[in-house]
Amino acid sequence: DGGITQSPKYLFRKEGQNVTLSCEQNLNHDAMYWYRQDPGQGLRLIYYSQIVNDFQKGDIAEGYSVSREKKESFPLTVTSAQKNPTAFYLCASSDRGLGYNEQFFGPGTRLTVL
Amino acid sequence: QQPVQSPQAVILREGEDAVINCSSSKALYSVHWYRQKHGEAPVFLMILLKGGEQKGHEKISASFNEKKQQSSLYLTASQLSYSGTYFCGTEYVRGSNYQLIWGAGTKLIIKP
Repeated sequence: DGGITQSPKYLFRKEGQNVTLSCEQNLNHDAMYWYRQDPGQGLRLIYYSQIVNDFQKGDIAEGYSVSREKKESFPLTVTSAQKNPTAFYLCASSDRGLGYNEQFFGPGTRLTVL
Repeated sequence: QQPVQSPQAVILREGEDAVINCSSSKALYSVHWYRQKHGEAPVFLMILLKGGEQKGHEKISASFNEKKQQSSLYLTASQLSYSGTYFCGTEYVRGSNYQLIWGAGTKLIIKP
């Protein structure tokens, strides 16, 4: 079945550590996105990529980094520069970029900083 | 810039109807609607495009008032499975690209 997978489902990090969240899709979608969701909040865009080897900052990119070396993969690194990283992280993809294209979401990774 | 959703929360009995509203202060290209159950990924419901085109689930209905930059999602004869948080995403043209901004969500609780 086609879809998006994220791993791990739960992640615990000590302060000062970098961690990488995995996102893989087999939908053959060009565009991929990373969102952060805090309790009772909507989704905030961290980074997005419309094509391999290219990505753009979203609204809250500080303290995060991404890469898009393969069409199906869009990993997110949460660096120690991110002051409040505890949140639910969602990866999504769409057939093309924004503009009347629905997004398909992965199951999410819940990151907790100890 | 974040769209405003109303109400913030609503409790219904099974079989009752609900309307969820999404309002923007900016000219919209499209409005997206998604439903998210606790701890799960959001699921696509519908997109409404400026000019009247729309795509989504047959059992979901929504409207898009371009003049008022408002959209409403109509849930009729609600079922227990409708419970969850509903998000609208408002899409704007920014230069040669689009920008999608999400509302804070409307929590819907359906009681038997």
